[in-house]
Amino acid sequence: NAGVTQTPKFRVLKTGQSMTLLCAQDMNHEYMYWYRQDPGMGLRLIHYSVGEGTTAKGEVPDGYNVSRLKKQNFLLGLESAAPSQTSVYFCASRPRGAGYGYTFGSGTRLTVV
Amino acid sequence: TQLLEQSPQFLSIQEGENLTVYCNSSSVFSSLQWYRQEPGEGPVLLVTVVTGGEVKKLKRLTFQFGDARKDSSLHITAAQPGDTGLYLCAGVNYGGSQGNLIFGKGTKLSVKP
Repeated sequence: NAGVTQTPKFRVLKTGQSMTLLCAQDMNHEYMYWYRQDPGMGLRLIHYSVGEGTTAKGEVPDGYNVSRLKKQNFLLGLESAAPSQTSVYFCASRPRGAGYGYTFGSGTRLTVV
Repeated sequence: TQLLEQSPQFLSIQEGENLTVYCNSSSVFSSLQWYRQEPGEGPVLLVTVVTGGEVKKLKRLTFQFGDARKDSSLHITAAQPGDTGLYLCAGVNYGGSQGNLIFGKGTKLSVKP
């Protein structure tokens, strides 16, 4: 089972460049999430989706956009990258319903110079 | 805003020692989860506790949910180098959100041979 797959694993961007991070899950999960993880800050929720075609803002949404056109895919976009967006980004998914844990991808390490 | 405080932030011990990690909040949670994250990987779910006072065991790991469902602890008996990693607690309150997890900042455990 692939679970949650994130691409790319590493990326270096110049300030002002744009990019899209792809998250794909093969578990038929309804809910999907994008987090960023920074030293001393823990995991912070950027955006999430409770189903195909729906998205919502999390704790730190500014500077990011997302789309969930297909149930299995959740895309995170950076329109104009800033050094403050240097981080490790994790995608996660879970089934609908209470008590389920999240399945995380292995992360994308993004550096903005 | 619900917060989860984890302590200690860092823990370095010798193989064979016992340890306890704490996760505390002033808020009540519907359930609480523990994850372990290894370097370069995403968090992996260890356990979910739901009922106040609940105790769950996973080999040498014992998880407890506080009676008031505001806190939790993770106890490891006879720690081994393979236990090294970042331990994260995460709580959810289904009454206040879409069931999004709130993560603590983690306890970084190092077990030396």
